[in-house]
Amino acid sequence: KQEVTQIPAALSVPEGENLVLNCSFTDSAIYNLQWFRQDPGKGLTSLLLIQSSQREQTSGRLNASLDKSSGRSTLYIAASQPGDSATYLCAVRRGELIFGTGTRLQVFP
Amino acid sequence: ETGVTQTPRHLVMGMTNKKSLKCEQHLGHNAMYWYKQSAKKPLELMFVYNFKEQTENNSVPSRFSPECPNSSHLFLHLHTLQPEDSALYLCASSQGGGGTGELFFGEGSRLTVL
Repeated sequence: KQEVTQIPAALSVPEGENLVLNCSFTDSAIYNLQWFRQDPGKGLTSLLLIQSSQREQTSGRLNASLDKSSGRSTLYIAASQPGDSATYLCAVRRGELIFGTGTRLQVFP
Repeated sequence: ETGVTQTPRHLVMGMTNKKSLKCEQHLGHNAMYWYKQSAKKPLELMFVYNFKEQTENNSVPSRFSPECPNSSHLFLHLHTLQPEDSALYLCASSQGGGGTGELFFGEGSRLTVL
């Protein structure tokens, strides 16, 4: 059974720092991996989708990498801002989308 | 106009009430999903519909009854719920339910069962 783990569970950093959020999964037979952002009490916003044949995707200050063989993905956030404060979720998909429990990020001024 | 719209945003109901959650997607997708998000737990898939046909039911209790009249609308009918059913219910859609499409989520319906 696929399990998705995200480390750290929570992170608090000053504005301007570069961040790395980690996601690991136990079954490498996936179709894709998706990173989401969730603000408190809100729905999920899709940030990046990496297909299983891809190694990374970039959008603005965000870069996500995928190493399927080792069951790992990282989300890199450059020059963090207070507006980046949210919970970040990764999810892997082969049929059903399986989610991790998220990393709660706080960026303070 | 957001891609996936859910109503109501907040709902409080007693255990004997009957209510419904509604989801509408404006993205032209053909697959729709219901997820449950409880505190401190990962999102749990409840139901999947592809082209209006239910393709997955993740052992969800019968007090939750989904309905998908067309590819753009999805309902979750609620009846005789329990307090532990209080959670954020999220609807999502994708192009293709076969496991490769990107999922887009609505803002969720926060349900409180008294």
